[in-house]
Amino acid sequence: GQQVMQIPQYQHVQEGEDFTTYCNSSTTLSNIQWYKQRPGGHPVFLIQLVKSGEVKKQKRLTFQFGEAKKNSSLHITATQTTDVGTYFCAAPTPYNQGGKLIFGQGTELSVKP
Amino acid sequence: NAGVTQTPKFQVLKTGQSMTLQCAQDMNHEYMSWYRQDPGMGLRLIHYSVGAGITDQGEVPNGYNVSRSTTEDFPLRLLSAAPSQTSVYFCASSYLKTGRDAAYEQYFGPGTRLTVT
Repeated sequence: GQQVMQIPQYQHVQEGEDFTTYCNSSTTLSNIQWYKQRPGGHPVFLIQLVKSGEVKKQKRLTFQFGEAKKNSSLHITATQTTDVGTYFCAAPTPYNQGGKLIFGQGTELSVKP
Repeated sequence: NAGVTQTPKFQVLKTGQSMTLQCAQDMNHEYMSWYRQDPGMGLRLIHYSVGAGITDQGEVPNGYNVSRSTTEDFPLRLLSAAPSQTSVYFCASSYLKTGRDAAYEQYFGPGTRLTVT
């Protein structure tokens, strides 16, 4: 079945350092979503990318969708302690546009003040 | 709006017991899903629904049943609990948000932490 691989599994950074997490799929994706889960909380939607080569920014967060629509990345510039949590990418299963998502394993980010 | 609500928050079961995890949403979303979250494995889809009366299996459906008699409710049933079902369970609902940033944005409930002994 479809798989979405996400690396790294863990990342420990010093506050102010940058952080990047990567998602890869063996199949072409119609779109990719990113979620953040704070410790003890539930996943919260961040963004969806649809177009080949698309780049979107939310303040210090930059999201990219690869030209072949098989990979994506989330980059955080100058991390802050509020960035702590697990970041997940998610993609719809083939022939599904809505709701039926396959999630990557997540990258757990810890930030040392 | 309360969003997506789940009950109970915590549950301990003995092997072989049955129970139902409740999920409700008040946003009139057509899509609803159940996920389980285990350390290092991300969120895995158990069952999925595109509307009342319509359900589909996800990645890990064995041992779980669902039904969707109304748009609002999507209960998850464990027929005979096993220790392998110890996990955190999340219910989610989604709809197509139209416009410039169109997306099937998923809204998650707070989760149910289930332990099976």
